Amino acid sequence: EPEVTQTPSHQVTQMGQEVILRCVPISNHLYFYWYRQILGQKVEFLVSFYNNEISEKSEIFDDQFSVERPDGSNFTLKIRSTKLEDSAMYFCASRAVGRDEQFFGPGTRLTVL
Amino acid sequence: GEDVEQSLFLSVREGDSSVINCTYTDSSSTYLYWYKQEPGAGLQLLTYIFSNMDMKQDQRLTVLLNKKDKHLSLRIADTQTGDSAIYFCAEKQNAGNMLTFGGGTRLMVKP
Repeated sequence: EPEVTQTPSHQVTQMGQEVILRCVPISNHLYFYWYRQILGQKVEFLVSFYNNEISEKSEIFDDQFSVERPDGSNFTLKIRSTKLEDSAMYFCASRAVGRDEQFFGPGTRLTVL
Repeated sequence: GEDVEQSLFLSVREGDSSVINCTYTDSSSTYLYWYKQEPGAGLQLLTYIFSNMDMKQDQRLTVLLNKKDKHLSLRIADTQTGDSAIYFCAEKQNAGNMLTFGGGTRLMVKP
């Protein structure tokens, strides 16, 4: 069964460094999402992406964040200058056109020291 | 803004039914979802219901929706130890793409 994959599973970085989290959505899906879950808190929406542009974003998704679909298979989340409070589990999700189910990847745990 | 709430914890015995409850505030919610998260794993979509439905059954899972009370429940029949996990409900509005999640209910199944 096709699934969303994410790499790396765990990323440790120093405060102020840039990180790129990578996702490979399900192959025929065209809607892509990033969510995050800070330890002990709810899963929060960050951004949705369709047709090579951001379709919706939350207040969390400020200028430090950017997303990109660099090729036909990858979808990335970049955090330009990480802060301690960016430490969280980051989930990628994808959805097919005409469907309502969002399928999630296993997540990348980001630890900012 | 939208808010989705769940109780934190539920403990049942193997073979019993589990009922996990969820309340939401946004009356414009059109789809409501249940996801399962096992330790170290991602969010697995279990089932979802459209807001014009009252009930949906899928094998051991039954979803009940009371739109008037903005209450959603997930019933797991014949609960097994493999059902132990955190269960998240989530809602989506018609206008947007984003899912709004509850805090998750940790289900513990005792043998």
